[in-house]
Amino acid sequence: KAGVTQTPRYLIKTRGQQVTLSCSPISGHRSVSWYQQTPGQGLQFLFEYFSETQRNKGNFPGRFSGRQFSNSRSEMNVSTLELGDSALYLCASSFGGSVEETQYFGPGTRLLVL
Amino acid sequence: AQKVTQAQTEISVVEKEDVTLDCVYETRDTTYYLFWYKQPPSGELVFLIRRNSFDEQNEISGRYSWNFQKSTSSFNFTITASQVVDSAVYFCALSELLSGNTGKLIFGQGTTLQVKP
Repeated sequence: KAGVTQTPRYLIKTRGQQVTLSCSPISGHRSVSWYQQTPGQGLQFLFEYFSETQRNKGNFPGRFSGRQFSNSRSEMNVSTLELGDSALYLCASSFGGSVEETQYFGPGTRLLVL
Repeated sequence: AQKVTQAQTEISVVEKEDVTLDCVYETRDTTYYLFWYKQPPSGELVFLIRRNSFDEQNEISGRYSWNFQKSTSSFNFTITASQVVDSAVYFCALSELLSGNTGKLIFGQGTTLQVKP
């Protein structure tokens, strides 16, 4: 079974631009969660989607948004990029997204904002 | 509030030494789950183990073992006879019902383990 895939793997943007990252979950998984990893803040939860609905959201500004499609693939968008948005963005999937389930992570997208 | 603390930022050992990575958590919930993930330089988080709050049995998987103690809110991870391939960043994480029954992991800051040949 293929794992979680994320595209692109690397991205360089400039301040003020916007970016869209994509995540394809493991086949059969309907929950997708997104995390931001930075050296200063560590791994932080962004949001979680299930059946095209956002069910949970972390403490991030509205510039961070996401969506999920009917095939469970998910995208996250960051508008008006800031230098501090430079990070590794990780996507994880699980079958139903409930608290006891293990989340399986993709390789991440490394975003550099100049 | 929920919190996971990994007090050891970096650990360096010589191959074949045993090493224990500490994890202390805080939660108000009685139903919660604890996880350990490994992050090699490639960046992907690799799942190692999941433990629920009602099961305090220790677990062993090959050279890996985990010690869960609710009395001290700790979930420590021991690697026996470490190998160079064990070099990575290790994360302890918590999910709890009080945060909503959805996929939200709270991570510790991670422990970087370097195993020298």
